[in-house]
Amino acid sequence: AQKVTQAQTEISVVEKEDVTLDCVYETRDTTYYLFWYKQPPSGELVFLIRRNSFDEQNEISGRYSWNFQKSTSSFNFTITASQVVDSAVYFCALSEVGTGGFKTIFGAGTRLFVKA
Amino acid sequence: EPEVTQTPSHQVTQMGQEVILRCVPISNHLYFYWYRQILGQKVEFLVSFYNNEISEKSEIFDDQFSVERPDGSNFTLKIRSTKLEDSAMYFCASRRDRNNNEQFFGPGTRLTVL
Repeated sequence: AQKVTQAQTEISVVEKEDVTLDCVYETRDTTYYLFWYKQPPSGELVFLIRRNSFDEQNEISGRYSWNFQKSTSSFNFTITASQVVDSAVYFCALSEVGTGGFKTIFGAGTRLFVKA
Repeated sequence: EPEVTQTPSHQVTQMGQEVILRCVPISNHLYFYWYRQILGQKVEFLVSFYNNEISEKSEIFDDQFSVERPDGSNFTLKIRSTKLEDSAMYFCASRRDRNNNEQFFGPGTRLTVL
């Protein structure tokens, strides 16, 4: 069965600090996708990144970077030089290709507070 | 850029009433989904729909729930007799095809059951 664990319930940092959000997943499939979504206070889900299981290259997009390690089943997300606007709930998610409906399973989320 | 739309953005209803949440997926997408997020909790899968039938559903998706694609554009979630615990944000999502794993989420409908 697929499972996503985000052990950090809440993180509080001061602006300009770097912060890493942890994500550990479980799956029996060899082909799967991992995602990160941001949920600001307004409630919508904002897509940040998708990674397939065959691509372990780390990715950087501006202040955001992602570290995918299959050996430890982790897909961690780092925000460099955090800003107040980064305050939100961040969800890690997993979708198995082998599942007929291709549903997405979400972690419990990490609430990030960035203080000025 | 095409997007998934949902109406209404907020629905308030009395316990025991039927509600229909509406979604317009992206036009060339083939897979459709409903997810639920109780306030402060994680996003949970409810149901996936493909080729005019349910392809997978979760334990949450009991007989009180149904989905329908009544025409070529809308995808609806009906809750037959709402309970207080149905209060949540409901997200619709669509996906283009089997080879494209990105799901596009709508902005959500906040359902409040009084």
